[in-house]
Amino acid sequence: DAGVTQSPTHLIKTRGQQVTLRCSPKSGHDTVSWYQQALGQGPQFIFQYYEEEERQRGNFPDRFSGHQFPNYSSELNVNALLLGDSALYLCASSLGRDRGSSPLHFGNGTRLTVT
Amino acid sequence: AQTVTQSQPEMSVQEAETVTLSCTYDTSESDYYLFWYKQPPSRQMILVIRQEAYKQQNATENRFSVNFQKAAKSFSLKISDSQLGDAAMYFCAYRNPGNQFYFGTGTSLTVIP
Repeated sequence: DAGVTQSPTHLIKTRGQQVTLRCSPKSGHDTVSWYQQALGQGPQFIFQYYEEEERQRGNFPDRFSGHQFPNYSSELNVNALLLGDSALYLCASSLGRDRGSSPLHFGNGTRLTVT
Repeated sequence: AQTVTQSQPEMSVQEAETVTLSCTYDTSESDYYLFWYKQPPSRQMILVIRQEAYKQQNATENRFSVNFQKAAKSFSLKISDSQLGDAAMYFCAYRNPGNQFYFGTGTSLTVIP
């Protein structure tokens, strides 16, 4: 049973550049959420995708955008990178947008370093 | 706004002993879910245990159990018979009815052989 997979595992970018992170959800899951985890902090909710639409969004600027494809995989795009965007980006999948106690299943994350 | 507070940045426990990690949360909702996740150095967040707010009975998963006090908005995790593999960051998480998760800042657990 394939779990949540993310690529790449590590990434180094320069201020002002743009980055795209990718995520494939756990088999059978249809909802993908993205989280930013700064060093020493808990994950912060960026946004959630369901049925190829952004359904919920956390307190992140428009520089952060995403997409969900018909096969439920997802991309996170960050434009005009800032030093403060350096973090571990976690993708999590779940079953159904509002379905019961469906927990989040996480990938191993992408470590983004902005220099 | 929903917030999750973990007041213990670090905890340690002797192998085979019991340890309790604290978590409090703030919400005006009556229907929600609570979770504990474990994050080892491998970075992957792993679900430890979950609790539905409408259930009075505390959840238990093998050596892991919770003490859920809804009125006090408290959700502590008890780890019994601690093992070396339990060493990790532990995050308490709150899920609102809209399926949005909020995480605490984590507790780093060290298991002493």
